[in-house]
Amino acid sequence: DSGVTQTPKHLITATGQRVTLRCSPRSGDLSVYWYQQSLDQGLQFLIQYYNGEERAKGNILERFSAQQFPDLHSELNLSSLELGDSALYFCASSVDKGGELFFGEGSRLTVL
Amino acid sequence: DQQVKQNSPSLSVQEGRISILNCDYTNSMFDYFLWYKKYPAEGPTFLISISSIKDKNEDGRFTVFLNKSAKHLSLHIVPSQPGDSAVYFCAASLSFSGNTGKLIFGQGTTLQVKP
Repeated sequence: DSGVTQTPKHLITATGQRVTLRCSPRSGDLSVYWYQQSLDQGLQFLIQYYNGEERAKGNILERFSAQQFPDLHSELNLSSLELGDSALYFCASSVDKGGELFFGEGSRLTVL
Repeated sequence: DQQVKQNSPSLSVQEGRISILNCDYTNSMFDYFLWYKKYPAEGPTFLISISSIKDKNEDGRFTVFLNKSAKHLSLHIVPSQPGDSAVYFCAASLSFSGNTGKLIFGQGTTLQVKP
């Protein structure tokens, strides 16, 4: 158990819909990262938040947005969903900006 | 532009033998490198890391080697065990020179250790 909690574990929805993925970091970790893993692909970095503020951005689509709340949990919002958005979405956390990242078990999104 | 590459999608070794997983990177500014292991239906778990000021780091059966001039790192597992069968991801970051801890991952190598 990494200490990072992600909900929901599985989500099935239709094209055009909007979903929200939730992540609770490890106790004491200030940074939260979101990654996307599509079928047979590596983990693609989406975005990082540190103590409530955006710190780094990757190849995140404009239809996607994220935020980190004062209690440090984070949400990833995916809108106008397309079939190609079907993937595993991982959240990770770390104490600060460097070192080891601790990953949650992921949220599997299926868009039909 | 893939900055971290794992060119072997899969590797099969016999139990007790050495497993060598390879990784290449293109950004010479990367200063911290990590290996993660991933089982199906689980998130990646940290295995071992190395900073760019070192060329070797060892932890039990796992050793990571870094060749900065070749922009290449490798993970050695000796001896390999069936429980090591998993997907292994190489990752790199600008932990000390950048203002972010984001990791850039390779595509992964699936290791199968046969009993």
